[in-house]
Amino acid sequence: GAGVSQSPRYKVAKRGQDVALRCDPISGHVSLFWYQQALGQGPEFLTYFQNEAQLDKSGLPSDRFFAERPEGSVSTLKIQRTQQEDSAVYLCASSLQGGGPTPHEQYFGPGTRLTVT
Amino acid sequence: AQTVTQSQPEMSVQEAETVTLSCTYDTSESDYYLFWYKQPPSRQMILVIRQEAYKQQNATENRFSVNFQKAAKSFSLKISDSQLGDAAMYFCAYRSAWETSGSRLTFGEGTQLTVNP
Repeated sequence: GAGVSQSPRYKVAKRGQDVALRCDPISGHVSLFWYQQALGQGPEFLTYFQNEAQLDKSGLPSDRFFAERPEGSVSTLKIQRTQQEDSAVYLCASSLQGGGPTPHEQYFGPGTRLTVT
Repeated sequence: AQTVTQSQPEMSVQEAETVTLSCTYDTSESDYYLFWYKQPPSRQMILVIRQEAYKQQNATENRFSVNFQKAAKSFSLKISDSQLGDAAMYFCAYRSAWETSGSRLTFGEGTQLTVNP
C-alpha cells in the first residue's frame, strides 16, 4: 500500500509569508507526528495527534506554528509569518497506535524542505 | 527529559567490512525502546532495528545487530558485510514505553556513514 506522503516536497517562502505543509498518513493509522529537522541535525518532535485530537504540542517552537488534523486523517502544519530560523525539513510520521507498551513503528514521509529567504 | 548522543559525526567503511556506530542515552526510566533509523539522501527515514529495554538479548536483523548495554546506557549498531547501499545518515532514537501522550521519538545528532568500494 501507499506510504506516508507529504506535499510540497520543496517550499521557498519569503520572510513574513505564511506556509501550509500537508501530510497524508498511511490509511488506518491512528497516530500522527510532526518533526522538524534542521540541516545536519536529528529530527526534533513538534506535535502529536491521536485521530483528530492533538494530544501533545509541547514541541512547537512558537505560537506561529499551528497544526491540525480535523478528520483524523490528513494533517496540515501551518507556519505564520515565517522567519529564517524556520528553514528546515519538516517530517511527518504515522503509526497504528500511539503510546503504551507496544512499539508500533512510526512510518515517515519524505519530508518538506522549507527555505525561508 | 531524555537525551540521545551520537559522538561520531562521520564514519567510513570499506565494502564488505564491518563497522560499528555508537550511541549513548540518558534516562531515568526503566522501560523504553531504542531504535536505529537510516536516512538516505532521499530523506526517507527507514527503521533499521529496534530493541526493547526489558530484553537482555541483543536484536539482530540480517546484517545489522546491536550491542545493548542497559547499565552503561549504550546502544551501538554493528553493520556486517557493508554494502554500498548502506551509505546514509544513521540516527539513534529513544522512545518511552509508558508515555501516555504518545510515543514521540528523541533522536541523536546522527552519524554519516560512507561506504568505500
